[in-house]
Amino acid sequence: AQRVTQPEKLLSVFKGAPVELKCNYSYSGSPELFWYVQYSRQRLQLLLRHISRESIKGFTADLNKGETSFHLKKPFAQEEDSAMYYCALSPRASGSARQLTFGSGTQLTVLP
Amino acid sequence: GAVVSQHPSWVICKSGTSVKIECRSLDFQATTMFWYRQFPKQSLMLMATSNEGSKATYEQGVEKDKFLINHASLTLSTLTVTSAHPEDSSFYICSVSRLAGVADTQYFGPGTRLTVL
Repeated sequence: AQRVTQPEKLLSVFKGAPVELKCNYSYSGSPELFWYVQYSRQRLQLLLRHISRESIKGFTADLNKGETSFHLKKPFAQEEDSAMYYCALSPRASGSARQLTFGSGTQLTVLP
Repeated sequence: GAVVSQHPSWVICKSGTSVKIECRSLDFQATTMFWYRQFPKQSLMLMATSNEGSKATYEQGVEKDKFLINHASLTLSTLTVTSAHPEDSSFYICSVSRLAGVADTQYFGPGTRLTVL
């Protein structure tokens, strides 16, 4: 069975400090990993996906298959980064809709 | 992206009544939609996959007779909570799946807060 683990429910950092939100997964095949973000009073939205290998709002995440991890990182946190972050997993893209399995989420608070 | 709406945004009902929640894809035709529920301070749990023109696929532990899903058109899926009870109180969220090449992305609705008295 597939599983996504986010060990930190709450994470607080000061503005300008580096931030890392941890995500580990278990999956028997080749997964695709995502980070979704939910700002206060807004809907869930895609932040980034590992196959894109891009930086969004200064965030990056690298898939480490050896450690089965997909940690989200940003070198200098901003107050507007305060939000709920969910790591999610789906089977590899195959041309059809895929189900997502979500982690429990990490509430990030960036302090002034 | 994709624009997804849900109606109503919140609803309060009495125990034993049925409640219908609508999920609409506003800017493209969605063959597949998903329904999730989220309890306070918990993650999203997939309830079912809704496919246009066919029966929904329910996750293990989700009662299909209690949570009726209808996906009669490419822009609308409905979730009806039948004979609602207080334990059904939750945040219900839908998403639509949009394909770009071989990779699909899910776009989420704003959610519906259901409170059963």
